[in-house]
Amino acid sequence: GESVGLHLPTLSVQEGDNSIINCAYSNSASDYFIWYKQESGKGPQFIIDIRSNMDKRQGQRVTVLLNKTVKHLSLQIAATQPGDSAVYFCAENLNSGYSTLTFGKGTMLLVSP
Amino acid sequence: SAVISQKPSRDICQRGTSLTIQCQVDSQVTMMFWYRQQPGQSLTLIATANQGSEATYESGFVIDKFPISRPNLTFSTLTVSNLSPEDSSIYLCSVRQILGTEAFFGQGTRLTVV
Repeated sequence: GESVGLHLPTLSVQEGDNSIINCAYSNSASDYFIWYKQESGKGPQFIIDIRSNMDKRQGQRVTVLLNKTVKHLSLQIAATQPGDSAVYFCAENLNSGYSTLTFGKGTMLLVSP
Repeated sequence: SAVISQKPSRDICQRGTSLTIQCQVDSQVTMMFWYRQQPGQSLTLIATANQGSEATYESGFVIDKFPISRPNLTFSTLTVSNLSPEDSSIYLCSVRQILGTEAFFGQGTRLTVV
């Protein structure tokens, strides 16, 4: 498939390393955040979410950290695998009454075996 | 979760023509959206497809260029009209069931205008 990440920031890691992908969100009133993974030729796939009343949430091999003071979100992937290679987007929801999501610029993660 | 089917998955169209993209969901959903993803870029919301009424468009997107239909709670179409090469993008359908929860996406339609 064709890549969607031609002009995106790229993070290159070795298989087995831990990866950290960062995102600066735009609106201090946002109260819900999501990380998506987009593989080549596919739509974004939900990874993990976090609400503004939390600063950390863990999933399987992934952890999301939220720093509301500096409007910063990060996604940590433990023991990165070649199958994790994709473009990762953060998305913010302005507030619980708002139906639309605003997406960040995205980061391409390349995992070398 | 919701399973979303988009058709076509890709198309090559001539300038000045139009393309209609279909989005079918396997269950009734309250919120449906259309996004555009230009090459190497993030997702930009085009509009919210409202069932039984006119879509709500984001700044920079107009109904004449991107007419949207949503006849029921499981189906929507996006038409990209009067195509130009600048319209070459991936177009994505998205749904949300409940406010404050994740959105699900179709696999996208890759449009190339020649």
